[in-house]
Amino acid sequence: GENVEQHPSTLSVQEGDSAVIKCTYSDSASNYFPWYKQELGKRPQLIIDIRSNVGEKKDQRIAVTLNKTAKHFSLHITETQPEDSAVYFCAASPNQGGKLIFGQGTELSVKP
Amino acid sequence: ETGVTQTPRHLVMGMTNKKSLKCEQHLGHNAMYWYKQSAKKPLELMFVYNFKEQTENNSVPSRFSPECPNSSHLFLHLHTLQPEDSALYLCASSLLAVGELFFGEGSRLTVL
Repeated sequence: GENVEQHPSTLSVQEGDSAVIKCTYSDSASNYFPWYKQELGKRPQLIIDIRSNVGEKKDQRIAVTLNKTAKHFSLHITETQPEDSAVYFCAASPNQGGKLIFGQGTELSVKP
Repeated sequence: ETGVTQTPRHLVMGMTNKKSLKCEQHLGHNAMYWYKQSAKKPLELMFVYNFKEQTENNSVPSRFSPECPNSSHLFLHLHTLQPEDSALYLCASSLLAVGELFFGEGSRLTVL
């Protein structure tokens, strides 16, 4: 089955800097790769996703890149703000939706 | 309001008790999921239901028993749990072939 590895487990940046979180997956059949943000005490919420027919996707300060050959994908957050502080999870799905297998999570701390 | 409601939000039970967690979605989705979130582990997929039929049981111990009477409701029946089962149990729903999972707020379970 699918296995998703996520690094780093914790990341601390200064406000205004960029943050990068990386994930690798094992199942070459996976074709949908979302990223979720979970604030303390809240539910995980989708912030951006990418499908296997696209190499990069951007939404304002957030971008995701996908390298299918290497089976890895990354989340890039530019001009970080304190409200970006949260735990971020990557995930992969072989079904173009349906069940998601999550990475271990990255706790991002943005210091003012 | 995300459209996915979980009750109870907090539950404390002894190892010999029987209790149930309830999830309800008002989004017209056709798939529902149970995930377990522990402090040191990623979001672990437990069960998947598509059109109220169980399509995945991710090697979950039999002391956890899911029930999906229709596409809008999902239960997790608990009996003779262990202290290591203490965790946040998250319900989610999705529209198959679209991808995004919508999570509930979770039920925080403590087993004494």
